[in-house]
Amino acid sequence: AQTVTQSQPEMSVQEAETVTLSCTYDTSESDYYLFWYKQPPSRQMILVIRQEAYKQQNATENRFSVNFQKAAKSFSLKISDSQLGDAAMYFCAPPGISNFGNEKLTFGTGTRLTIIP
Amino acid sequence: DTGVSQDPRHKITKRGQNVTFRCDPISEHNRLYWYRQTLGQGPEFLTYFQNEAQLEKSRLLSDRFSAERPKGSFSTLEIQRTEQGDSAMYLCASSSRSSGLNTGELFFGEGSRLTVL
Repeated sequence: AQTVTQSQPEMSVQEAETVTLSCTYDTSESDYYLFWYKQPPSRQMILVIRQEAYKQQNATENRFSVNFQKAAKSFSLKISDSQLGDAAMYFCAPPGISNFGNEKLTFGTGTRLTIIP
Repeated sequence: DTGVSQDPRHKITKRGQNVTFRCDPISEHNRLYWYRQTLGQGPEFLTYFQNEAQLEKSRLLSDRFSAERPKGSFSTLEIQRTEQGDSAMYLCASSSRSSGLNTGELFFGEGSRLTVL
């Protein structure tokens, strides 16, 4: 079974500062994707960033980047230059099985991020 | 492309009544997923379809739950004899494996919130 742990139920950060959300997981797969999703209050979940496990280079998307440690099964999300619109629940979702089988995602319990103006 | 749409957005019902939720996925997506999310938790997988075939059901899905996807387009999730424990947000998501490209990304609707009194 695939499990995922987000150990920070809540985080807060000053606007324009940097924050890192942690995630650890367990899987027996060797080739997979990992995702961070964002769920703003009363709005739909949207993909923030995706990492392919076979790639050694950490994924980046504008102000969002990950620190992927495959051996440690760790997948943290760094948000730089935090903005008020970043306030949301953030869910780690590893791993999606690539190419074969289904892409059923297992979500963590989430981290609620508050941005302090 | 209007995204994934769900109807109704809110449903209040009395215990013991039946309810049905509808999901219209992104038109070219052949995979459709149902998740359940309770307050403060991450989404929990319920079931998924590839085209019209229901390929996997979670053990969370009791016999009172049934999902269909006739003709591989929209999907319905029916809950019979509702219980207070069924109160949750029911999320629908879709994805595509067209052209062999598997991004693994799920596109979510805004959800249908069920309150059982």
